[in-house]
Amino acid sequence: ETGVTQTPRHLVMGMTNKKSLKCEQHLGHNAMYWYKQSAKKPLELMFVYNFKEQTENNSVPSRFSPECPNSSHLFLHLHTLQPEDSALYLCASSQGKTVSGNTIYFGEGSWLTVV
Amino acid sequence: AQKVTQAQTEISVVEKEDVTLDCVYETRDTTYYLFWYKQPPSGELVFLIRRNSFDEQNEISGRYSWNFQKSTSSFNFTITASQVVDSAVYFCALSGQNSGYSTLTFGKGTMLLVSP
Repeated sequence: ETGVTQTPRHLVMGMTNKKSLKCEQHLGHNAMYWYKQSAKKPLELMFVYNFKEQTENNSVPSRFSPECPNSSHLFLHLHTLQPEDSALYLCASSQGKTVSGNTIYFGEGSWLTVV
Repeated sequence: AQKVTQAQTEISVVEKEDVTLDCVYETRDTTYYLFWYKQPPSGELVFLIRRNSFDEQNEISGRYSWNFQKSTSSFNFTITASQVVDSAVYFCALSGQNSGYSTLTFGKGTMLLVSP
């Protein structure tokens, strides 16, 4: 059983819809991440949160809006998406954002299809 | 800038064969960490190993072994006596000293297909 759980696992939404992806980590970690995985592309870091504070926004379009109410929960709010946003969205967490090489643990991902 | 190259896009083997997945990295950091992750069809990225740049000892874990060679900037992964359950996409990743946090630079992945 994974220590990082994501819901929903699959989501189909229209371009005018508003939906949210949810992530919860049960590992006692302080840092949480959103990654995007598109077909035939390397995984792309989207956002990083450390102790609920956003520390990185990797030039992500504003139609993706993250929210981190506490160190255990992370949301990705979706609004007015494009078909090219269809991808696997992976949530992850780690002990901290130090440079000591903390291992990042991933959830099972949310498969998003924008129609 | 950091870069991870996994030149093998897809590898097909028959069960019980040994297979090596290649990983070559580029970084200007003197301290860095290398990782391998496994991604089965379900989507989850499963952590396999983490190795820091000062530890060049090879590591073996059951049927898995890793060969880290700083001189060639490579961190190759070998599966001995492969099994159908090993079928997955395998990612090599790098985390650098100067990145400021535990973010990862991933390779494009190698899809391993093990047939019975």
